[in-house]
Amino acid sequence: GNSVTQMEGPVTLSEEAFLTINCTYTATGYPSLFWYVQYPGEGLQLLLKATKADDKGSNKGFEATYRKETTSFHLEKGSVQVSDSAVYFCAQGSGGSTLGRLYFGRGTQLTVWP
Amino acid sequence: DAGVIQSPRHEVTEMGQEVTLRCKPISGHDYLFWYRQTMMRGLELLIYFNNNVPIDDSGMPEDRFSAKMPNASFSTLKIQPSEPRDSAVYFCASRGQIDNSPLHFGNGTRLTVT
Repeated sequence: GNSVTQMEGPVTLSEEAFLTINCTYTATGYPSLFWYVQYPGEGLQLLLKATKADDKGSNKGFEATYRKETTSFHLEKGSVQVSDSAVYFCAQGSGGSTLGRLYFGRGTQLTVWP
Repeated sequence: DAGVIQSPRHEVTEMGQEVTLRCKPISGHDYLFWYRQTMMRGLELLIYFNNNVPIDDSGMPEDRFSAKMPNASFSTLKIQPSEPRDSAVYFCASRGQIDNSPLHFGNGTRLTVT
């Protein structure tokens, strides 16, 4: 079936620390992969995406590479800021019978301290 | 574009009352999704529509929940009768037809049933 597994939170880091949030997926076919971010009191918003193997999505200093061989899409940032504190969701979208919907992970809460 | 618009932002009601949540998707988007978010269960897909037709309602928790999309610019999620365990944040999201197009979320409706 289709699913996404991401690392359990919460993650607490000091400003300028390196961030990794792990994400793996199971899918039929070759899905598109996404990272979404949710700030307090808001809906989820797209952070970055990758649509095929070896693609790297990047935005606001965050990066993730589509690894087909390990079915992974880990999120990284070299130097986090207090303003990055939010909940991060990994998601995948497959075609076929589930065309249109995205499958989300449970979310990882990130808190960055000054 | 104004994005996905949900109303109301907050709803407090007593157990047994009917609750109606409203959503206006982004113009031109073919898919509309209703999600529920709680601390315990994370982000759950309740139902989604393609071109105003319900595609998958297997996530609707029980018959007390119903959703409609009478036209391309409006959808409702109704709970009748409401129960305290329905307390959650309900999100509406929409996306275009292209397979890797991202979801756009509204800011959600925070429902409290006392």
